Amino acid sequence: DTEVTQTPKHLVMGMTNKKSLKCEQHMGHRAMYWYKQKAKKPPELMFVYSYEKLSINESVPSRFSPECPNSSLLNLHLHALQPEDSALYLCASSQESRLTNEKLFFGSGTQLSVL
Amino acid sequence: DAKTTQPPSMDCAEGRAANLPCNHSTISGNEYVYWYRQIHSQGPQYIIHGLKNNETNEMASLIITEDRKSSTLILPHATLRDTAVYYCIVRVILIGSNFGNEKLTFGTGTRLTIIP
Repeated sequence: DTEVTQTPKHLVMGMTNKKSLKCEQHMGHRAMYWYKQKAKKPPELMFVYSYEKLSINESVPSRFSPECPNSSLLNLHLHALQPEDSALYLCASSQESRLTNEKLFFGSGTQLSVL
Repeated sequence: DAKTTQPPSMDCAEGRAANLPCNHSTISGNEYVYWYRQIHSQGPQYIIHGLKNNETNEMASLIITEDRKSSTLILPHATLRDTAVYYCIVRVILIGSNFGNEKLTFGTGTRLTIIP
């Protein structure tokens, strides 16, 4: 299994809603990532978890709250979002490797629309 | 991580080799060159990476100049399914206590269109 699975694939939410994005991998990877991608732009890093601990937060607003309940799961909790937060949210994972061939595996993303 | 420069767009005829250039003149000695691509509405997909030597796998070849300041990704026989945005990234591979503490930063990429 070399897949990163993201659910839901599409999400529409109002500015007062609370929703969560889910990401799952069963490759034994110990780093997991959230990226945000606006239309026609490259992905931008939001958060990195390493061994279930938050290692990087790219100054993301607190209305985005990541959670890593175990080594296979990564959630992104959303609350009080703004329309400009509408984007494709990508999850990725990677394995620590002393063979120096570490690469990121990405999910297909959740297309989020905030109304 | 060092910055990369890529042409914004390229066309290639189906069946021909697609050669995608990348400049990374400020690359450090311990930074690898990685290539990813993103087909419309999907997540980025790893293609290949290298440090100094040329590399080849089932998807592509990577040619890195001797001074390591530039590289070229080669898709030997382009098909319509190779139409995508191709990202060249340079990065250090962190292991041990530093694992998970790197910022994999995407540049603007090259939009490759394969022409039938």
